[in-house]
Amino acid sequence: GAVVSQHPSRVICKSGTSVKIECRSLDFQATTMFWYRQFPKQSLMLMATSNEGSKATYEQGVEKDKFLINHASLTLSTLTVTSAHPEDSSFYICSARGQGYFYEQYFGPGTRLTVT
Amino acid sequence: GQQLNQNPQSMFIQEGEDVSMNCTSSSIFNTWLWYKQDPGEGPVLLIALYKAGELTSNGRLTAQFGITRKDSFLNISASIPSDVGIYFCAGQRNYGGATNKLIFGTGTLLAVQP
Repeated sequence: GAVVSQHPSRVICKSGTSVKIECRSLDFQATTMFWYRQFPKQSLMLMATSNEGSKATYEQGVEKDKFLINHASLTLSTLTVTSAHPEDSSFYICSARGQGYFYEQYFGPGTRLTVT
Repeated sequence: GQQLNQNPQSMFIQEGEDVSMNCTSSSIFNTWLWYKQDPGEGPVLLIALYKAGELTSNGRLTAQFGITRKDSFLNISASIPSDVGIYFCAGQRNYGGATNKLIFGTGTLLAVQP
């Protein structure tokens, strides 16, 4: 139980383009999903929290117009990096939290974004 | 953002040895979690702790919720090569809402020599 998938696992895009990353909870309903960014040899830094059907709450310093988050259903959240630049290259990881037995945060496998 | 202090930063041990690491905070948490992250993967939940003083095991792993609620410890007994990875602690303050956030530790890199 508690399986979270992410797609794609790796993406390379050109500077100025937009990239969408999907996060799905496969065997439970995720009332809340979280998006993290991780730079090499560093810990996970929370970017935003989203509850199904509501607007995401962004952490201080994270541009909401650049990192668009949609949590349209209890099993799917998407992160769109708009007008990507090389400094946006990073490892993006989502996590999902359900209720009851699935209350803790379960993480997806991550998406490696490289902006050229 | 806030991070929890983890020690040691890295460990290089021989297979079969026991491992200890800890996580400290300047403030109180209601829940402590321990995750393991393999290279290029997302973190995997190892152990969750919900009560001060609680000691919980998961196979060769044992974790404790510090009595002050400001720290937690993880022990791995009889390490094996597949224990290699980065171990993260995470603290959570439960306010009863759905948006309780995790605060992650700085990570402990474990390398096991066969």
